[in-house]
Amino acid sequence: ILNVEQSPQSLHVQEGDSTNFTCSFPSSNFYALHWYRWETAKSPEALFVMTLNGDEKKKGRISATLNTKEGYSYLYIKGSQPEDSATYLCAPDTGKLIFGQGTTLQVKP
Amino acid sequence: NAGVTQTPKFQVLKTGQSMTLQCAQDMNHEYMSWYRQDPGMGLRLIHYSVGAGITDQGEVPNGYNVSRSTTEDFPLRLLSAAPSQTSVYFCASRALGQGSPLHFGNGTRLTVT
Repeated sequence: ILNVEQSPQSLHVQEGDSTNFTCSFPSSNFYALHWYRWETAKSPEALFVMTLNGDEKKKGRISATLNTKEGYSYLYIKGSQPEDSATYLCAPDTGKLIFGQGTTLQVKP
Repeated sequence: NAGVTQTPKFQVLKTGQSMTLQCAQDMNHEYMSWYRQDPGMGLRLIHYSVGAGITDQGEVPNGYNVSRSTTEDFPLRLLSAAPSQTSVYFCASRALGQGSPLHFGNGTRLTVT
């Protein structure tokens, strides 16, 4: 079973702070790296799917980078807002998607 | 466009009972999967399918059966429910091409007493 590690497990920041999380995974035999945003009492929603080494994706204040050779991806949130509070999940695509345990972000107004 | 539909939304079972969680998608997605949500462990993959007639095990398949007789439907069967199967279950589907994200259903909350 694929070992997907996310750090930190949880994060508390003030509104306006910028933050980043890490997703680490075995660097071989995967097709893409997925990031999902999961709000409490809702279903996970896709943020990014990245396929190329050095790939960088951006959606508003959120961006992500991918290093396939060393097996990690970073998710960045610039100027965090209370509505960014959620759990952020990553999953390498090896034909099936195995998720990490997630990073839970709490943004205080 | 309904997307991924899960039924029921809530279910309470007694230990030893069996039931089927239903999942249907109307996006013609080849790939379908079942996850369970466990505190501190995120989402764990139970079973998945890459097309009609093809299923495979995920991380935590024991106690669950699946079948995929059509592209649209991917039911999850609990043969003999146990309290350890109390969880929220999510069905998700996607197209098979690289770069295709998962689309999740709204979840089924199952309690086994």
